[in-house]
Amino acid sequence: DAKTTQPTSMDCAEGRAANLPCNHSTISGNEYVYWYRQIHSQGPQYIIHGLKNNETNEMASLIITEDRKSSTMILPHATLRDTAVYYCIVRVVWNTDKLIFGTGTRLQVFP
Amino acid sequence: NAGVMQNPRHLVRRRGQEARLRCSPMKGHSHVYWYRQLPEEGLKFMVYLQKENIIDESGMPKERFSAEFPKEGPSILRIQQVVRGDSAAYFCASSPNAGSTYEQYFGPGTRLTVT
Repeated sequence: DAKTTQPTSMDCAEGRAANLPCNHSTISGNEYVYWYRQIHSQGPQYIIHGLKNNETNEMASLIITEDRKSSTMILPHATLRDTAVYYCIVRVVWNTDKLIFGTGTRLQVFP
Repeated sequence: NAGVMQNPRHLVRRRGQEARLRCSPMKGHSHVYWYRQLPEEGLKFMVYLQKENIIDESGMPKERFSAEFPKEGPSILRIQQVVRGDSAAYFCASSPNAGSTYEQYFGPGTRLTVT
């Protein structure tokens, strides 16, 4: 069963920041929040991940609330090529290693 | 360094036939994961394997499905006696090790159609 809930779809103007929210209220203390995206049904592409601290890399930023029940992934300057389905994921690494995908947010970036 | 490779990219099988899906992990990666994506849905975990060992198969149907990752050669996902409900995209991912430090790199997927 999915451990995350996301809006079904969002729009964003090109050049603006895209803020994608995610709820993961049942996440356990040793489970990580990951974000991947999928463009045109290709294989998912890694974006960013975190446990409890905010994270930033060359693609995005990840803001995790202090209680870890929700997070927001930010694409700072969206381009048309960022149009994709974005998945907020819980990664379980206790006695296994698996990604539990949510239903994803379809982000449409418009000119 | 070549990415994760999957073949075939498209596979058509009649009901009752067998489907064999292959996954070659990235060079140096000894951990392989299989996921299934039904139309308009997110990916669902099926199985996690290390070389010659199944670590977690909790997402795999109990019947007709099996997976292996031999010492030499690709990982194989095998579906016996396929049914229409098996039609989906099957993605393989690999990583050099388990745990949050290591990203799972995904292949392009195999699209299975059962007629």
